[in-house]
Amino acid sequence: AQSVTQLDSQVPVFEEAPVELRCNYSSSVSVYLFWYVQYPNQGLQLLLKYLSGSTLVKGINGFEAEFNKSQTSFHLRKPSVHISDTAEYFCAVMGNTGGFKTIFGAGTRLFVKA
Amino acid sequence: KAGVTQTPRYLIKTRGQQVTLSCSPISGHRSVSWYQQTPGQGLQFLFEYFSETQRNKGNFPGRFSGRQFSNSRSEMNVSTLELGDSALYLCASSFPGDGTEAFFGQGTRLTVV
Repeated sequence: AQSVTQLDSQVPVFEEAPVELRCNYSSSVSVYLFWYVQYPNQGLQLLLKYLSGSTLVKGINGFEAEFNKSQTSFHLRKPSVHISDTAEYFCAVMGNTGGFKTIFGAGTRLFVKA
Repeated sequence: KAGVTQTPRYLIKTRGQQVTLSCSPISGHRSVSWYQQTPGQGLQFLFEYFSETQRNKGNFPGRFSGRQFSNSRSEMNVSTLELGDSALYLCASSFPGDGTEAFFGQGTRLTVV
């Protein structure tokens, strides 16, 4: 079974500052990892995903994430945030043993202040 | 390409009633998953259907059920509604395969009064 822990429920940050949203996972098998973003009253949309290969993954809107197998982490980063990045961010894991069930973390609310 | 469509967008029901929510996946996607989203619990996995078969199930009571039709459209049903069932219900579809991401609908906001 897989599980995901997002270490911060809320992250306030000033505009143009860097941000890191933390995600740790546990799994007995190899996994695929995802970050999704949810804007108010919307569904989730994919920011980026890690399947294999390079541990640094670049996504949309200037976000990137680094897969660290030894620390079982997949932290999301952006060097300079904008007001429009204010949203809820979800880390998710899918086990690669088939079934394609995706488990989501509880979410991190990013609040960008002017 | 049309996205995932969920209907209705908003719904108000009374305790004890039942409700059916609908999800039309992206064309070609055969896997449909349902999630319940609440402020306190985050995104909770309900179930996943693939080719009309329930392939995975979360830890929800039997009042929550679903089905998938031959055209991959899916419905979920909640019987004997409780106040705690008030939530945003999200449907996600995906093209079956390792590491394929889910595409989400905008959700159905269910309020139980």
